[in-house]
Amino acid sequence: EAGVAQSPRYKIIEKRQSVAFWCNPISGHATLYWYQQILGQGPKLLIQFQNNGVVDDSQLPKDRFSAERLKGVDSTLKIQPAKLEDSAVYLCASSLGDYSFTDTQYFGPGTRLTVL
Amino acid sequence: AQKVTQAQTEISVVEKEDVTLDCVYETRDTTYYLFWYKQPPSGELVFLIRRNSFDEQNEISGRYSWNFQKSTSSFNFTITASQVVDSAVYFCALSEAGNTGKLIFGQGTTLQVKP
Repeated sequence: EAGVAQSPRYKIIEKRQSVAFWCNPISGHATLYWYQQILGQGPKLLIQFQNNGVVDDSQLPKDRFSAERLKGVDSTLKIQPAKLEDSAVYLCASSLGDYSFTDTQYFGPGTRLTVL
Repeated sequence: AQKVTQAQTEISVVEKEDVTLDCVYETRDTTYYLFWYKQPPSGELVFLIRRNSFDEQNEISGRYSWNFQKSTSSFNFTITASQVVDSAVYFCALSEAGNTGKLIFGQGTTLQVKP
């Protein structure tokens, strides 16, 4: 079974530029998560989708970050405009069920963003 | 508020030594799950174990074992006879019944196993 796919793996941009990340979850997984992992810290949830609906986006900086999950499968996360503090690894994860706290989340390899 | 604390920032051991990674959590929920993930240098978080709050039995999987104690709100992870391939960052995480399924992660413990 294929795992969670993410692209690109690395991205370097100047501040105030825009950037987008793509995630393809494990086939059949209903719930998709985007986490931000700043160097030296644990991942923190940015946004959570069940199918193509948003379950939790309370920690998403909505003035600059946006995300969508069209057709309940792939998802994109966008930052516009980027700030220096957005430098981090952006991890996508998916789980089988409907945002259940019992489900195991499976993570992709992440996208490492550097904002100069 | 929910919280996960991994007090050990970095641990260095020599191959074949046993090592224990500590995890302490805080939650008001009586029903919750605890997880351990491994993050090797490649960056991907690899799932290791999931344990629910009603199951305090210790778990062993090969060289890995986990000790869950509700009385001390701890869920510690022991690697027996460590190997160089065990070198990674290890995260403990909490998922609560009163939440939507998001994981609350600790800060992580970097384990370096030297040959």
